[in-house]
Amino acid sequence: DVKVTQSSRYLVKRTGEKVFLECVQDMDHENMFWYRQDPGLGLRLIYFSYDVKMKEKGDIPEGYSVSREKKERFSLILESASTNQTSMYLCASSSYRDATNEKLFFGSGTQLSVL
Amino acid sequence: EDQVTQSPEALRLQEGESSSLNCSYTVSGLRGLFWYRQDPGKGPEFLFTLYSAGEEKEKERLKATLTKKESFLHITAPKPEDSATYLCAVQVAGGGNKLTFGTGTQLKVEL
Repeated sequence: DVKVTQSSRYLVKRTGEKVFLECVQDMDHENMFWYRQDPGLGLRLIYFSYDVKMKEKGDIPEGYSVSREKKERFSLILESASTNQTSMYLCASSSYRDATNEKLFFGSGTQLSVL
Repeated sequence: EDQVTQSPEALRLQEGESSSLNCSYTVSGLRGLFWYRQDPGKGPEFLFTLYSAGEEKEKERLKATLTKKESFLHITAPKPEDSATYLCAVQVAGGGNKLTFGTGTQLKVEL
């Protein structure tokens, strides 16, 4: 089974801190995604990547950046955390080789609280 | 702008009481419609993909259908273990592999 692992289940940070959220997948997937999930707003795409060192902005990239130095790892960076970035962050991956290549496999999420 | 709307927001059923969840969409060109299940404290888990109007897919007590404007997730004789949030998402032609999600329907099945 595909496994998408997010480094932290819960994280508490202070306003202005630089925050790193790490995601690793073990199935050699080309595509990786970062979403945030908020009550009443659903999942919203922050950034995604189709290959190593490639990144594309999603619908809400402001205040975030990403890094993909290795195929299996996709990091989300909050340069200067703010309280409105308190949210559940979900990482996902998918493969072009899957017959239904759009199928996303999600991690369990990181609940980030910015105080 | 692509939009996905799910209804109802929440649904409470008795065990064995069949019902349907709705996902209506407005997109420039649909490439695929996806259903996911999300349990509390976990990431969404893939259920179905539908590609064209008239298509249907089934898995145990769940059946997903698609028209040109909406999709339904039918739950037949639900059990308490079917309790979860059900998410609908669309993939738009020319939009790459990214999905646009609705806000979900929270289903609770009681004994």
